Amino acid sequence: SQTIHQWPATLVQPVGSPLSLECTVEGTSNPNLYWYRQAAGRGLQLLFYSIGIGQISSEVPQNLSASRPQDRQFILSSKKLLLSDSGFYLCAWSVQGTGAEKLFFGSGTQLSVL
Amino acid sequence: AQSVTQLGSHVSVSEGALVLLRCNYSSSVPPYLFWYVQYPNQGLQLLLKYTTGATLVKGINGFEAEFKKSETSFHLTKPSAHMSDAAEYFCAVSVMIYNQGGKLIFGQGTELSVKP
Repeated sequence: SQTIHQWPATLVQPVGSPLSLECTVEGTSNPNLYWYRQAAGRGLQLLFYSIGIGQISSEVPQNLSASRPQDRQFILSSKKLLLSDSGFYLCAWSVQGTGAEKLFFGSGTQLSVL
Repeated sequence: AQSVTQLGSHVSVSEGALVLLRCNYSSSVPPYLFWYVQYPNQGLQLLLKYTTGATLVKGINGFEAEFKKSETSFHLTKPSAHMSDAAEYFCAVSVMIYNQGGKLIFGQGTELSVKP
């Protein structure tokens, strides 16, 4: 069966520090991968998606970047965190297909930038 | 461009009462529509989805939603609320990625509270 792992679960970082959140998927190959951010009271915002290794699409201009060094690994990074980067970050995957596939979400990372 | 609007950021119902969470979509092509539920400090779980065919879709935990093209709506309902239904609910529409699958565009979410 497929599983998605996201870590860490909680992170407190000072402003200006770097960030690296990791997400891995097991039990499937060539998934579509996604990073979403959920800021308090602002719903879910798609940050990045990837349809293959090294293929990253950014949805919104921001202080963050994403990379996909391996088929089932998706990393969210920042060189210098801002206060506005605080939020709940969710990684997700789906099977490549028609667009009717459901997303499988990780358990999320609560990031607090102080 | 596809988008989703959820009406009401907070909905409160009594246990046993009808649950109605509203969602309207905008899409230039026939949409694929989804409802997800998020319990505190967790990821999202799929409740139900509409792709083609029957416009009344049944999901898990007694929830259902009806796709109404004329109203561009996909409202979520449950006849009788249970305390365990308290969570945040997200409506979403799928946008194709170069025929490689869909990225989901979510609404702002509706927090459902259930009073005893």
